[in-house]
Amino acid sequence: AQSVTQPDIHITVSEGASLELRCNYSYGATPYLFWYVQSPGQGLQLLLKYFSGDTLVQGIKGFEAEFKRSQSSFNLRKPSVHWSDAAEYFCAVGAGTGNQFYFGTGTSLTVIP
Amino acid sequence: GAGVSQSPSNKVTEKGKDVELRCDPISGHTALYWYRQSLGQGLEFLIYFQGNSAPDKSGLPSDRFSAERTGGSVSTLTIQRTQQEDSAVYLCASSPSAGGAADTQYFGPGTRLTVL
Repeated sequence: AQSVTQPDIHITVSEGASLELRCNYSYGATPYLFWYVQSPGQGLQLLLKYFSGDTLVQGIKGFEAEFKRSQSSFNLRKPSVHWSDAAEYFCAVGAGTGNQFYFGTGTSLTVIP
Repeated sequence: GAGVSQSPSNKVTEKGKDVELRCDPISGHTALYWYRQSLGQGLEFLIYFQGNSAPDKSGLPSDRFSAERTGGSVSTLTIQRTQQEDSAVYLCASSPSAGGAADTQYFGPGTRLTVL
């Protein structure tokens, strides 16, 4: 069965530091992979997605993610975090033949000055 | 343009009462999804509508949950005889395409339901 694991429930980084949020998935075929961000009181907003091709995907707000098939991972990165990046981040997998999406439990990011 | 809207933003109800949650998708979007987000949990898929096709109800947790989508636009999620475990944030999302795993979903702000 499809599943998504975000091992880090909460991460704290200093403003200006680099960031990596981990995501591992379980899916038999090549997955469709997404990262969403949820700010307090807001709906989820798409940061980036991977379908095929270049395994390094660029997204909005300076985020990028790399698909590594051998590790079943799709980690999200940002070279320099801003205070406004504090939010909840969700990794998701789209099932290839259906219309269901599987979300991880999220990683809460705190940014300290 | 306008995004996905949901109402009410907050709903407090007593155990055993029925509640209705509303979702207005982005105009022209054919696909609509409902999710439940419980504390410390990821998003749990509930139901999916695509155009005039029969909805995919495979995620509804019990027969107390139902949803409809009128005229291919507005959707209402109804929870009958609410229980305390129904307390969660209910998120609606819409998508402009024909649905499927490649969809980008546009989410509403959610309805926070509290069952006392």
